Amino acid sequence: NAGVTQTPKFRVLKTGQSMTLLCAQDMNHEYMYWYRQDPGMGLRLIHYSVGEGTTAKGEVPDGYNVSRLKKQNFLLGLESAAPSQTSVYFCASSSGLETQYFGPGTRLLVL
Amino acid sequence: AQSVTQPDIHITVSEGASLELRCNYSYGATPYLFWYVQSPGQGLQLLLKYFSGDTLVQGIKGFEAEFKRSQSSFNLRKPSVHWSDAAEYFCAGVSYNTDKLIFGTGTRLQVFP
Repeated sequence: NAGVTQTPKFRVLKTGQSMTLLCAQDMNHEYMYWYRQDPGMGLRLIHYSVGEGTTAKGEVPDGYNVSRLKKQNFLLGLESAAPSQTSVYFCASSSGLETQYFGPGTRLLVL
Repeated sequence: AQSVTQPDIHITVSEGASLELRCNYSYGATPYLFWYVQSPGQGLQLLLKYFSGDTLVQGIKGFEAEFKRSQSSFNLRKPSVHWSDAAEYFCAGVSYNTDKLIFGTGTRLQVFP
């Protein structure tokens, strides 16, 4: 099993460009999450999903959109990237309130 | 508001010394509590978790943590650290009525030979 995978691993964007980060899990988990990690701030929840076709806002949702069209995939979109969105993005999945399993992260630099 | 606090931003210990990383939580009810470790450039790996029952929980890599309701704490311990334990450690909690895992800001552990 691959667990949780994220694509791409690293990306550089110019301000105003758009992109989509892909998260895939093969553990048949219902719950999936997107976090961003910034120095000194720990991990902050952007959006999450409790099942296929559902999404909900987390702590820092502004500037991001998500979709969960398939149970195994959770997409994070940036419609118009800003330098403040430079960060490391982590996807995670879980079975309800059980342990969350994390992907390896995507490093995004917005110039 | 629900929160998880890690008071120590950075801790330095010598190899072979004992370690205790602090974590305090603020929840209306007893949350589920976790400790994760993150090596440089890597994702997060679960060390251990507490859901209920025995307040002393054992994890991987020789780590343990003790849940103390009276102190709202869930401190992580290891009797003898190894150089490979150098990493960032995150405490996190989730309660049954939130669906959301709340992370502390992390403690960076440095190990000197």
